[in-house]
Amino acid sequence: EAQVTQNPRYLITVTGKKLTVTCSQNMNHEYMSWYRQDPGLGLRQIYYSMNVEVTDKGDVPEGYKVSRKEKRNFPLILESPSPNQTSLYFCASGTGGSPLHFGNGTRLTVT
Amino acid sequence: AQSVAQPEDQVNVAEGNPLTVKCTYSVSGNPYLFWYVQYPNRGLQFLLKYITGDNLVKGSYGFEAEFNKSQTSFHLKKPSALVSDSALYFCAVRDPSGAGSYQLTFGKGTKLSVIP
Repeated sequence: EAQVTQNPRYLITVTGKKLTVTCSQNMNHEYMSWYRQDPGLGLRQIYYSMNVEVTDKGDVPEGYKVSRKEKRNFPLILESPSPNQTSLYFCASGTGGSPLHFGNGTRLTVT
Repeated sequence: AQSVAQPEDQVNVAEGNPLTVKCTYSVSGNPYLFWYVQYPNRGLQFLLKYITGDNLVKGSYGFEAEFNKSQTSFHLKKPSALVSDSALYFCAVRDPSGAGSYQLTFGKGTKLSVIP
């Protein structure tokens, strides 16, 4: 089954404790992206990757890092999380004119 | 820069009535347009897209959307709403001619409530 898998689904952490949210896709898509969703703001792009070792900033990259060492994986790293990064995070992948495929989301709470 | 506007935060409609969720866009080239739906505690699910061709596109669950180039709109419609259609709907645009041609820009979302 074609899918984008994010882990974990829920995460509660404390300010400053490094964390990684994993994302993996099994569709051989070149493009992958991270979004955060906040009430009233819709989805805002954090980082995206056009292919292996090619990443670029989206609209709200501050406080986040990503890497694309393999085509299927695109982890999101928060080196020093802060409460304003409490949000719902989505990973997506795509290719060509096809619509993006989304993971089920990771709800992050930073206290 | 590309952008999407969904002018209504919330749309309420009675079950069985037609529904419309509005979307307007701004993009420099010819747009790729998409509608996604999000149910509680779930990711975004693709509903339909416009790439080229017929201005009226049909998608999943009986939804359709009409591309209007002169009005730069891509409104989502359904002839008869179901309670199960209640969800959050996102319109999105891509400019396939740009350097970041995969880049998808989303509207802020419209919450649809279908009242029994």
